[in-house]
Amino acid sequence: EPEVTQTPSHQVTQMGQEVILRCVPISNHLYFYWYRQILGQKVEFLVSFYNNEISEKSEIFDDQFSVERPDGSNFTLKIRSTKLEDSAMYFCASSGRTTQGSTEAFFGQGTRLTVV
Amino acid sequence: GEDVEQSLFLSVREGDSSVINCTYTDSSSTYLYWYKQEPGAGLQLLTYIFSNMDMKQDQRLTVLLNKKDKHLSLRIADTQTGDSAIYFCAESTFSGGYNKLIFGAGTRLAVHP
Repeated sequence: EPEVTQTPSHQVTQMGQEVILRCVPISNHLYFYWYRQILGQKVEFLVSFYNNEISEKSEIFDDQFSVERPDGSNFTLKIRSTKLEDSAMYFCASSGRTTQGSTEAFFGQGTRLTVV
Repeated sequence: GEDVEQSLFLSVREGDSSVINCTYTDSSSTYLYWYKQEPGAGLQLLTYIFSNMDMKQDQRLTVLLNKKDKHLSLRIADTQTGDSAIYFCAESTFSGGYNKLIFGAGTRLAVHP
């Protein structure tokens, strides 16, 4: 069964450092997303990406964040100058396309980011 | 804005049925989802329902949708200890073709012998 894969599963970084979280979406999907879940809180939408550009971003997704699809398979989230409050589980998701619109979203297992 | 609300905790005895409830505010929701999250793990899609359906059954899972009241429920029959997890309700609306999800805070299901 096709799945979304994320690497690494856990990343520890020092405050102020840059991190790149990587995702391989399902191969025939066209829409890509990042969500985050701070420990004990709701899963929050960060950004959606389609046709090599951002479709929508939330208030959380400020200039510190960027996304990229550097090749045909990877989808990355870059966080510049990490802060303690960026510590969270980051989920990548992807969805396909039908004549009626998007399919359901499939999520990866998440990358736990710990900023120290 | 869009919002999804769930009760935070549910405790059931093994073998009983569990019913997890959810309300949402966006009347233009297209898909409604239930995700399961086990400790330290990711989000596992359990089931989903189109907004033009009232009910969907998938083995031990039954999803009921009352679109008028914007109420969604997940019934788990014959609940097992392996069902202990956090269950997230989510709704999505197609906007520009893509599928942005709004999640509830999650219901922690505890199954005891």
